[in-house]
Amino acid sequence: DAGVTQSPTHLIKTRGQHVTLRCSPISGHKSVSWYQQVLGQGPQFIFQYYEKEERGRGNFPDRFSARQFPNYSSELNVNALLLGDSALYLCASRSFTTGELFFGEGSRLTVL
Amino acid sequence: EDKVVQSPLSLVVHEGDTVTLNCSYEVTNFRSLLWYKQEKKAPTFLFMLTSSGIEKKSGRLSSILDKKELFSILNITATQTGDSAVYLCAVGQPNTGNQFYFGTGTSLTVIP
Repeated sequence: DAGVTQSPTHLIKTRGQHVTLRCSPISGHKSVSWYQQVLGQGPQFIFQYYEKEERGRGNFPDRFSARQFPNYSSELNVNALLLGDSALYLCASRSFTTGELFFGEGSRLTVL
Repeated sequence: EDKVVQSPLSLVVHEGDTVTLNCSYEVTNFRSLLWYKQEKKAPTFLFMLTSSGIEKKSGRLSSILDKKELFSILNITATQTGDSAVYLCAVGQPNTGNQFYFGTGTSLTVIP
């Protein structure tokens, strides 16, 4: 079975641009979460979606938004990029039965 | 403020040594504690702990949770160079969208 898949793996943007990151959860998982990991830090929670509804939001500005589609895949959008948005963006899908959280390989965003 | 603290921040050992990594937490409405291994990109799931005193074991790795004293330990016996990684601890709560709070991780280096 495929794990959590994310795209793109790497991308470079300039300040002020916007970016869309994509994620497909493990088959059968309906919950998707997004995390930001800055170098040297642990992942920080951005959003959680379950059954296409936002169920939680971390302490991030409104420039960050997300959505979940009927097939449970998800997109994370970041507008008006800042240098400080440079990070590894991780998507995680969660098993409803066990509660275990599995991560994708991440999207490495560099903002110049 | 909810938080997760891991110690030590970094550790260098020789192959064959045994290591103990610590994770303490102050999270309201605790639900579960997860351990991950992160080498380059995606954190790889190791264990999920929900009950005190019950050891989880997988090969040379084992972990236990103490909900009274609010901490968990991860033990690695007979370390190998392939164990070199950052080990992350995460604590989840059912509120705020099942957000998981991560520590900054322990960087383990195993030298031959």
